[in-house]
Amino acid sequence: AQSVAQPEDQVNVAEGNPLTVKCTYSVSGNPYLFWYVQYPNRGLQFLLKYITGDNLVKGSYGFEAEFNKSQTSFHLKKPSALVSDSALYFCAVRDILSNNDMRFGAGTRLTVKP
Amino acid sequence: DTGVSQNPRHKITKRGQNVTFRCDPISEHNRLYWYRQTLGQGPEFLTYFQNEAQLEKSRLLSDRFSAERPKGSFSTLEIQRTEQGDSAMYLCASSSPGGSSYEQYFGPGTRLTVT
Repeated sequence: AQSVAQPEDQVNVAEGNPLTVKCTYSVSGNPYLFWYVQYPNRGLQFLLKYITGDNLVKGSYGFEAEFNKSQTSFHLKKPSALVSDSALYFCAVRDILSNNDMRFGAGTRLTVKP
Repeated sequence: DTGVSQNPRHKITKRGQNVTFRCDPISEHNRLYWYRQTLGQGPEFLTYFQNEAQLEKSRLLSDRFSAERPKGSFSTLEIQRTEQGDSAMYLCASSSPGGSSYEQYFGPGTRLTVT
């Protein structure tokens, strides 16, 4: 069965600094990997995905993530954080051999301070 | 707005009562998912429909939970004899049938409080 770990409950960065939100995964086969963001009182919004191809994927709002198969990681990054990036971020994985069971991490709360 | 919609947004009920939630997916999406999210946790998969067929159910979905998608469009999730442990955010998501589209699009959720 697949699983996701987000080792940091909270990440704090200053506005303008680069940010990284960590994610590691475990699957039996090859993974489909996703990042979602959740703002207060809003549903999860899709940011980006890795399905196949280039290990570096770019998504919405200037975010990108790098798939690292050897380290089973899919860390979310942004070169310059904005205060408006403050939100809850979830990593998710689906094994390509599964039907549609997508597993989410517990989430990382990102706070960007001015 | 053509996103996923859920109703009601909030529901407060007494223990033992039945509740029903509705999800309207994005119109061209044939796949629909239900998740449950509790505080401090990520969404947990409950069940999945392709068109009107319920193809997968999590072990989290006890006998008190039932989901339907009778015409392959909107879906309902019913919880019978609610318990305090059912208090959570119930999320609905949909995805398209296209081979290159794997991401799911989420609604705003229904927050259930069982008193």
